[in-house]
Amino acid sequence: GAVVSQHPSWVICKSGTSVKIECRSLDFQATTMFWYRQFPKQSLMLMATSNEGSKATYEQGVEKDKFLINHASLTLSTLTVTSAHPEDSSFYICSANGQGGWLIATEAFFGQGTRLTVV
Amino acid sequence: RKEVEQDPGPFNVPEGATVAFNCTYSNSASQSFFWYRQDCRKEPKLLMSVYSSGNEDGRFTAQLNRASQYISLLIRDSKLSDSATYLCVVNLDRGSTLGRLYFGRGTQLTVWP
Repeated sequence: GAVVSQHPSWVICKSGTSVKIECRSLDFQATTMFWYRQFPKQSLMLMATSNEGSKATYEQGVEKDKFLINHASLTLSTLTVTSAHPEDSSFYICSANGQGGWLIATEAFFGQGTRLTVV
Repeated sequence: RKEVEQDPGPFNVPEGATVAFNCTYSNSASQSFFWYRQDCRKEPKLLMSVYSSGNEDGRFTAQLNRASQYISLLIRDSKLSDSATYLCVVNLDRGSTLGRLYFGRGTQLTVWP
């Protein structure tokens, strides 16, 4: 299957600082990527849809100025949590759909996730 | 109201048991359906897609009832390695390309020797 790499796998930061999380498709082009968040014992919640070369589309209730998404190339999307607070501590995970060639976009490929702890 | 509702369990079963998970979804416009499994602190991995005609993959059988907006997963002859959280997942977007996914909170399964 296709490979999606997410970095870092875990990060601890101080309250008020910003944290950038990268999501890369390693062996295919990802025109669309999705960002999810999962709190303990909760479901993965879709935060936003990231489209290459255009603005991200945010789900209702997700602050676009707090969670900045950039999808500048077909293989990279970044999520920046700005002015992080302890309540932003969560498991953030991206997924990517493929484009063209052998890859049939009927399966979402997930990154390994980033566990963010804000202290 | 949540898009996808699942019984969180936990389900604790002995090896060899048969176990069934259920899920309901609220949006009748949902396009495609899946079961994923998630191991502790890991990313979700696709287990199988779910079709109206029902589909089987080895010990796993999935069913979809669009009229009732109900999805099920049956695991036969449970193995220790089946211990995980099983996520019911719904895709709302149209077209051949997979879109936004909505996840249930997952059903936790523990298979004991």
